[in-house]
Amino acid sequence: GAVVSQHPSRVICKSGTSVKIECRSLDFQATTMFWYRQFPKKSLMLMATSNEGSKATYEQGVEKDKFLINHASLTLSTLTVTSAHPEDSSFYICSARERLRNNEQFFGPGTRLTVL
Amino acid sequence: AQSVTQLDSHVSVSEGTPVLLRCNYSSSYSPSLFWYVQHPNKGLQLLLKYTSAATLVKGINGFEAEFKKSETSFHLTKPSAHMSDAAEYFCVVSDQGNTNAGKSTFGDGTTLTVKP
Repeated sequence: GAVVSQHPSRVICKSGTSVKIECRSLDFQATTMFWYRQFPKKSLMLMATSNEGSKATYEQGVEKDKFLINHASLTLSTLTVTSAHPEDSSFYICSARERLRNNEQFFGPGTRLTVL
Repeated sequence: AQSVTQLDSHVSVSEGTPVLLRCNYSSSYSPSLFWYVQHPNKGLQLLLKYTSAATLVKGINGFEAEFKKSETSFHLTKPSAHMSDAAEYFCVVSDQGNTNAGKSTFGDGTTLTVKP
């Protein structure tokens, strides 16, 4: 149990377009989901914390108008990269926290975004 | 506030020899500590976790880690390295007792190379 999926796993888009990434908890309810960004050969950087039914909390330096986060249900959070540019190319990873398991986080497999 | 320092950015060992990946943490509350492994272009896999139970934690693939509060350390070890252990390893701390409960901070990662 405690599986988190991300869709798509890989996306290539043109500069100026918007891309939506989905994060789903498949077999548990996630009151909180986290979005991370990972640059090549670097660690994970927390972008934002997403709570179901409320606005996301963004980390310092992360543009909330650039990275739109919606957590519409207890099993789904979405990250939309608006007007993507090549510098937005990265590996985006989500995690979901399960309240019933001592708030343990479970990570999705990641989404590789390439902006041309 | 919480932070994690992985003391070695690169570790190289020969196959069959012991592995030691070092991690020191700082936390204002009772922390949970994790080690994750990431193979190239893959998501994160949980190796083991400490959540205030036994201080010596056994994980998957023969890895274990010991929580030492007096040294604020959570070093990862394995008695005998295998070629398949070559990957990136992340030490993660997560505070459980404050308003940011569940928010994880990642270390910068340690690249493990295993030589034949």
